[in-house]
Amino acid sequence: QITLKESGPTLVKPTQTLTLTCTVSGFSLSSSGVGVGWIRQPPGKALEWLAIIYWHDDKRYNTSLKDRLTITRDASKAQVVLTLTDLDPVDTATYFCAHKGSYTFFFDYWGQGHRVIVSS
Amino acid sequence: QSVLTQPSSVSAAPGQKVTISCSGSNSNIGNNYVAWYQQVPGTAPKLLVYDTNKRPSGIPDRFSGSKSGTSATLDITGLQTGDEADYYCGTWDSSLSAGVFGGGTKLTVL
Repeated sequence: QITLKESGPTLVKPTQTLTLTCTVSGFSLSSSGVGVGWIRQPPGKALEWLAIIYWHDDKRYNTSLKDRLTITRDASKAQVVLTLTDLDPVDTATYFCAHKGSYTFFFDYWGQGHRVIVSS
Repeated sequence: QSVLTQPSSVSAAPGQKVTISCSGSNSNIGNNYVAWYQQVPGTAPKLLVYDTNKRPSGIPDRFSGSKSGTSATLDITGLQTGDEADYYCGTWDSSLSAGVFGGGTKLTVL
């Protein structure tokens, strides 16, 4: 059974750096073709694709946020970490991590989401 | 402003059919598979359709996806009140080398 769970701070201040962790189970981050992505959703707004990291450590980023985002993985800990620098109140959102199956092009399993508020 | 364009809302009566469109370009929908997700407010999105027209196990055949050129469509037949949710299309954009989503469509079952 594949599960993902996001964790991290709930309240962060503007200009600070946000670090979110996605802890996965039921699959290996090193399995060929597998990826884990991050998606966010501001309150009342649409989903926004942020980043993805693949089994061979290749990474892709939202071009609008690329300078502020970093995604890494630790297969031994079964964790994927997303950092977002220089936070602004517009970064307030629910952040989801999701599983991309082997050589597929969609997210088939999602975490429950983690709400982050950026406010002084 | 989302890369993929969806109507903000659609509505229909129980038992009827509704169509949700998703418009993109050659760099995304035109040359890549499309997925559709259903999201009940306050919960995580749920995969509804993948590879443009395939359904995960457990998704009823009332939900079907298709694509023509740079536009994709999600059809929902035999509408039920439980289908009320937000629906998002998503795909890969080869020019951006990144995933993209539509702006979402709120379905109301009258």
